[in-house]
Amino acid sequence: DAKTTQPPSMDCAEGRAANLPCNHSTISGNEYVYWYRQIHSQGPQYIIHGLKNNETNEMASLIITEDRKSSTLILPHATLRDTAVYYCIVGETGANNLFFGTGTRLTVIP
Amino acid sequence: GAVVSQHPSRVICKSGTSVKIECRSLDFQATTMFWYRQFPKQSLMLMATSNEGSKATYEQGVEKDKFLINHASLTLSTLTVTSAHPEDSSFYICSALGQGGYEQYFGPGTRLTVT
Repeated sequence: DAKTTQPPSMDCAEGRAANLPCNHSTISGNEYVYWYRQIHSQGPQYIIHGLKNNETNEMASLIITEDRKSSTLILPHATLRDTAVYYCIVGETGANNLFFGTGTRLTVIP
Repeated sequence: GAVVSQHPSRVICKSGTSVKIECRSLDFQATTMFWYRQFPKQSLMLMATSNEGSKATYEQGVEKDKFLINHASLTLSTLTVTSAHPEDSSFYICSALGQGGYEQYFGPGTRLTVT
């Protein structure tokens, strides 16, 4: 049921920006893009969501392409505590029925 | 941000016994809560959606008589694993839908081991 494609793993140097891509080519007009992350043996943590405009909050920025078929999550200054599995999920209005795919395992390297 | 707690964080039980896991939204009311299961090195799998005051909606392949869900108040949902078996050993995670409806807030998870 996961309708997104993400690279299985990525590395990023500490202090540099981490750019995590996600493809969602079958996204429909009323579906949002959500990003969550899961640090080992913990519950997932909400990061950000968007519909078509770029979004920014205290954790990250979300860049959505004009055709909405892909997006990029940007962590501007990655720290070791950002090492986690990052999930990109598409879902209709409201965060019901979130289906988690396999995500991207981001490792921040000192 | 909104806080969701789970209790217990870790439980070991014998095969054939039942285990109850509690999920609480601590600083907000949640009409909708969700239960997920996660096996080692796998992603989260949605088990059921729980709405306050009504019966839970189970995902395909999840036995409703084995995984009993009760959502009796706006801040508490419980999952009872009945007649547990070793294959039920997993990481069980709950979440609560935020009042804006756009965010799920997750609990820290409960690790169940059935011996």
